[in-house]
Amino acid sequence: AQSVTQLDSQVPVFEEAPVELRCNYSSSVSVYLFWYVQYPNQGLQLLLKYLSGSTLVKGINGFEAEFNKSQTSFHLRKPSVHISDTAEYFCAVSEQGTGGFKTIFGAGTRLFVKA
Amino acid sequence: GAGVSQSPSNKVTEKGKDVELRCDPISGHTALYWYRQSLGQGLEFLIYFQGNSAPDKSGLPSDRFSAERTGGSVSTLTIQRTQQEDSAVYLCASSQAGEAYNEQFFGPGTRLTVL
Repeated sequence: AQSVTQLDSQVPVFEEAPVELRCNYSSSVSVYLFWYVQYPNQGLQLLLKYLSGSTLVKGINGFEAEFNKSQTSFHLRKPSVHISDTAEYFCAVSEQGTGGFKTIFGAGTRLFVKA
Repeated sequence: GAGVSQSPSNKVTEKGKDVELRCDPISGHTALYWYRQSLGQGLEFLIYFQGNSAPDKSGLPSDRFSAERTGGSVSTLTIQRTQQEDSAVYLCASSQAGEAYNEQFFGPGTRLTVL
C-alpha cells in the first residue's frame, strides 16, 4: 500500500541556517509529489510539486525539493530559513489508478525557527 | 468566493450528539475532499467527490460518518452519535478536476471537540 514517511516530527533550527525536511514514500507506480505548508492558525497551502521533468523543483518562499526515484524520496530544503518559516510541513503523494486516484499525506514535520 | 470556506470554525458538542460541518469549495472546482487532522498525525482521507460520479467513501472510519454534495458545490459532512475520538480538525479541499496532479486548495478547517 502507498505510504508517506516524514522522518522528523519536529525540526528546530536557528534563523539563517539551512534546513532539510525529509520525506520518503512507497509506491510501485509513477507518482506525483507535493509539499504543503500550514502556518499557525491557517489552512494548508501548496509549497511546490513534482509532476515530471527536472527532478529539482523550486517552490515559493525560497524552498526547493529534489525527487529521487531510486531512493523514493522527495526531501524539502531551504538554504537560509527565516522566523516566518515556522510552520508545519506536509509531504503528499498522489498516484493515478484505473479507478481514480488517492492522495496520501505524511504525518507532518513541525519546523521551528529560533532567533 | 476567493477560497475554500468552512463553517463553523469551531464546534463543541456532547458525546452522542450529531454534528454537521459545511464546506464551500472554490467556484468551478469539480473535485472536493474531506480530511481529518488529529494532533501529531497527518491528514487522514475521509471522502472524495468528483463531479457527478459516485463519491469515494473508502476513508470514512465508520457508518456514523456520511457526506453529501448538493448541486456539485457545497458539501456537508455529518457525524452521528459523536464520540470523543472524533475530536479533530476536519479539513475540506477542492481542486479544478479530480486528477492526481492537481493542487488541492484547503479551507481553514473546523475544529471539533466532543466532550
